[in-house]
Amino acid sequence: EVQVVESGGNLVRPGGSLRLSCASSGFGFSAAWMSWVRQAPGKGLEWVARIKSKGAGGTTDYAAPVKGRFTISRDDSTNTLFLEMNSLKTEDTAVYYCTAEYYYHFKYWGQGTLVAVSS
Amino acid sequence: ETLLTQSPGTLSLSPGERATLSCRASQTVTNNYLAWYQQKPGQAPRVLIYGASSRATGIPDRFSGSGSGTDFTFTISRLEPEDSAVYYCQQYGSSPQMYTFGQGTKLEIK
Repeated sequence: EVQVVESGGNLVRPGGSLRLSCASSGFGFSAAWMSWVRQAPGKGLEWVARIKSKGAGGTTDYAAPVKGRFTISRDDSTNTLFLEMNSLKTEDTAVYYCTAEYYYHFKYWGQGTLVAVSS
Repeated sequence: ETLLTQSPGTLSLSPGERATLSCRASQTVTNNYLAWYQQKPGQAPRVLIYGASSRATGIPDRFSGSGSGTDFTFTISRLEPEDSAVYYCQQYGSSPQMYTFGQGTKLEIK
């Protein structure tokens, strides 16, 4: 059974930092390209960042609004994905989903973790 | 960056009817890397269609996708009450390498 479980969401002040984690099991994590997708309250879906598998080079890509502030990384020994978020803004407030990508679509999703940025 | 525009914004239909949703891209979608998702309130999205027309594992055949280039269509042939949800299209672009979602279509079952 596939399981994707995010953690680390919290209330943080503007300018603050937060680290999200995503524990995965039930699929070939080390071969999977992994992404974070977020959803602001009452809004649509927005892709945030992706990290390819090490076999594909392990390279990272970011959406323009988070580039230079967020860092995606992975630990294949523990099947865990991370998102380091710095210089947080109020517009970063959202539910953050961890997803596993296959054939350029998001096949497996977690239930999300809420990040609230507010003073 | 490729923008996706979905229409209509809201669709209200009765059980047994056919639903047709549109997703139009601002430029050609690379290799038809176009997917459709269903999201119900309080839940994570679920992929229904990928590669424009391939059904994901376990998805009933009343859900289908078609199209290529810049115009894509998602169809539910016989609506059931549990199909009430927001549906999103999503594309992958290779230059720059990134994903974009449409703004969503809200489907209401009367």
